[in-house]
Amino acid sequence: DAKTTQPPSMDCAEGRAANLPCNHSTISGNEYVYWYRQIHSQGPQYIIHGLKNNETNEMASLIITEDRKSSTLILPHATLRDTAVYYCIALNSGGSNYKLTFGKGTLLTVNP
Amino acid sequence: GAVVSQHPSWVICKSGTSVKIECRSLDFQATTMFWYRQFPKQSLMLMATSNEGSKATYEQGVEKDKFLINHASLTLSTLTVTSAHPEDSSFYICSARDQGAFAWYFGPGTRLTVL
Repeated sequence: DAKTTQPPSMDCAEGRAANLPCNHSTISGNEYVYWYRQIHSQGPQYIIHGLKNNETNEMASLIITEDRKSSTLILPHATLRDTAVYYCIALNSGGSNYKLTFGKGTLLTVNP
Repeated sequence: GAVVSQHPSWVICKSGTSVKIECRSLDFQATTMFWYRQFPKQSLMLMATSNEGSKATYEQGVEKDKFLINHASLTLSTLTVTSAHPEDSSFYICSARDQGAFAWYFGPGTRLTVL
């Protein structure tokens, strides 16, 4: 799986958009970009994933650059409950036994 | 999204005893489940892959005789920490793949404290 690089921490004001970057310069053509988050003392929560097109769901938007070497997770209107560690993972998800491995992620702190 | 449950949510035990943690996929079948461990202020570390009807696959450095995994059905995997010691105190999290949704879903975690 491709290595991903994320900033260790970010701050965001409540109500503003939170833009979390991720570099995955060695990603291969069949690897998806997955985003998960972990709120303190809970299991990770799936947010979104994509291959090359931008994706949007009820939680967030995922913007993937044309060369696929980086992506940005966007939380359009951050709330205090969005404070969590956000993990970006590049993975070929074709098989049921492909496993998610986590890096250190980005601690997003949403401030009032 | 799909739901994965764990039981118990927390457990305190004496050193030398064994503890069993259950992981269930509630609304989907999972031929493969995963077990993670997380120490304070660290990321999740994959321990093993649990395969329904066959032996688990352990990551390097994880003692298979200490962390027994049983995946007896398509909705249940169990992790037994045998002869637990204080250094086994950690947050244990399971995960299951919902192929139809193309995502992995995680349980809420089990906090194990060994005295």
